[in-house]
Amino acid sequence: NAGVTQTPKFQVLKTGQSMTLQCAQDMNHEYMSWYRQDPGMGLRLIHYSVGAGITDQGEVPNGYNVSRSTTEDFPLRLLSAAPSQTSVYFCASRVTGRANVLTFGAGSRLTVL
Amino acid sequence: GNSVTQMEGPVTLSEEAFLTINCTYTATGYPSLFWYVQYPGEGLQLLLKATKADDKGSNKGFEATYRKETTSFHLEKGSVQVSDSAVYFCALPVQGGSEKLVFGKGTKLTVNP
Repeated sequence: NAGVTQTPKFQVLKTGQSMTLQCAQDMNHEYMSWYRQDPGMGLRLIHYSVGAGITDQGEVPNGYNVSRSTTEDFPLRLLSAAPSQTSVYFCASRVTGRANVLTFGAGSRLTVL
Repeated sequence: GNSVTQMEGPVTLSEEAFLTINCTYTATGYPSLFWYVQYPGEGLQLLLKATKADDKGSNKGFEATYRKETTSFHLEKGSVQVSDSAVYFCALPVQGGSEKLVFGKGTKLTVNP
């Protein structure tokens, strides 16, 4: 099992550019989510999905879009990058259930100039 | 919704010292509680969890007891090692029935030889 795979690991963008952070899991997890990690802010939830075709907003959704066309994939799109989106992004997944454990990807470090 | 307050670091200890990282929560009911750990350059991974009041979670020499009287879930280890240097996050579901997890801001631990 590969677990949760994120690509790219590093990316530099200019303000206004668009890009997609990819996330794929091979564990058949229903629940997938995206977090951003910033110094002094901990982890903040951007968007999440409880299954294919279902997405919802987290704590900091502005500037980000998601879709969930398959169980395996949950891409995060930045339509017009801003310097405030410079961060480390983590994708995480798990089997549905509050007591179940999140499996995290290794992270994607994004810098917006 | 539920929330968590975590002791802010950084915490610097010598090898074999005793570790406590405080975590208190505000919650409706008795949700599952988690400690996640992030080693340098990696994603988060579950360290331990407790699913009901008075439960003790343990792993790799770390322990945390779910105390409903004090709404706390403090992380402890009797003798830390250099390899324990990492960032530690306390977490719980956002609210009853929610699939979303909310994380504390993280506590960075550095253990010196």
